Formats: sequence, structure tokens, C-alpha cells
Amino acid sequence: LAKTTQPISMDSYEGQEVNITCSHNNIATNDYITWYQQFPSQGPRFIIQGYKTKVTNEVASLFIPADRKSSTLSLPRVSLSDTAVYYCLVGDAGSQGNLIFGKGTKLSVKP
Amino acid sequence: EAGVAQSPRYKIIEKRQSVAFWCNPISGHATLYWYQQILGQGPKLLIQFQNNGVVDDSQLPKDRFSAERLKGVDSTLKIQPAKLEDSAVYLCASSFNPYTQYFGPGTRLTVL
Repeated sequence: LAKTTQPISMDSYEGQEVNITCSHNNIATNDYITWYQQFPSQGPRFIIQGYKTKVTNEVASLFIPADRKSSTLSLPRVSLSDTAVYYCLVGDAGSQGNLIFGKGTKLSVKP
Repeated sequence: EAGVAQSPRYKIIEKRQSVAFWCNPISGHATLYWYQQILGQGPKLLIQFQNNGVVDDSQLPKDRFSAERLKGVDSTLKIQPAKLEDSAVYLCASSFNPYTQYFGPGTRLTVL
């Protein structure tokens, strides 16, 4: 399983775009990249998943360069309610899906 | 669609006591996970079930922790006896594919 590295914390202001980058130098060919969001006193919530290039949904975009050694979660126009911890995970569904959570990135959005 | 249900939400016990947590996964999800999340850290997988069989319990402290999933639906996680370092949030998750796990609200355990 590939190890991931992401910033411990980030600060932003309402209305800004936030980009959180995750490094995964040892990503394997079959690995997918998945991001989860966790609010205080709640369990993590799936945000987005991708394999390569760009994935977009109603919540975020995920950018993955050709070498796949990193990925960037992009949150457009954040609000106070986006204050949470964001986890980047890398894994292979074919391996029974053992996802390893790191410490995540604590995003603080200020008014 | 109902989410993953867990109970109790909070539990306070003294060390060396026993405690049990219950989880009801999303209907139709064959895979069920129990995680331990210590304050300030990411969730750590304790055990993974596929239907009622154990897929991975390599990080489960088997001398004090046990888990079962009878009939491949509900699951219980037990700690006996509890230690101070077991204070954490215990999260249950279920999924139909490994990447998209749906988490319950968790049980916050405090061991005094």
C-alpha cells in the first residue's frame, strides 16, 4: 500500500479556492486515489476518487498528473462549513480494499 | 437510504471493565469495518468482515478485543478488559466497494 504525505494544516478564507496536495511516490499501477472529509464528532465521508487526469463532482475536483505520484484536491469557493480534516488515501480495490488513513489535512476556513 | 447506525454514541467506563459497541451497516453492504480513531489521528482499521467472515484482523489486539458479525449483517465489537489507552472513537463503516466506505457517527469511549 502506497504511503501518502499531505500538509498537516491549511488556512483559507470564505470564497477562496483551496488546493490540498497529496504525495504518493510509491503508488502502484492498480491503485486509485480517494479523498475523504471528516467533520468533528462525525465519521469520514467520501468526497471523490480518481485514477488519472481530472475528476469533478458537485463537491470537488481531483487533479492527477501523468506520473500519478501526487494528486490535488480542489475545493472551489470554500465556506465556513468546509472546515474539516481531509484525508488522502491510495489503495487497490483488488486487494480487499485495506485503506490506510494518515493524519490528514486540517482545513480551517475563516470569515 | 438509511446510513450506518452505531450505539451507544458515548460510553464512560473504568479500566478493567468490559464494553461492547453495536453497528448496523447499510442494507446490502457485504463489507463491514471497525476503526479506532484516537484524538488527532486518522482512523486505524481494527477488523474487516466480508459477509460474516473475517478478511483482515491484523491490527486487532486480540488479547482484549473481539468482534463478530452474525448472519452477515449487524456487528459487535467488544473490549475486555479495557485499558486507559483504549480511549478513542470507534467507527463502523460499510461498503459495496473498498474505496467508497460509509461511516457511522462513531462511539466515543472514555476509559477512566
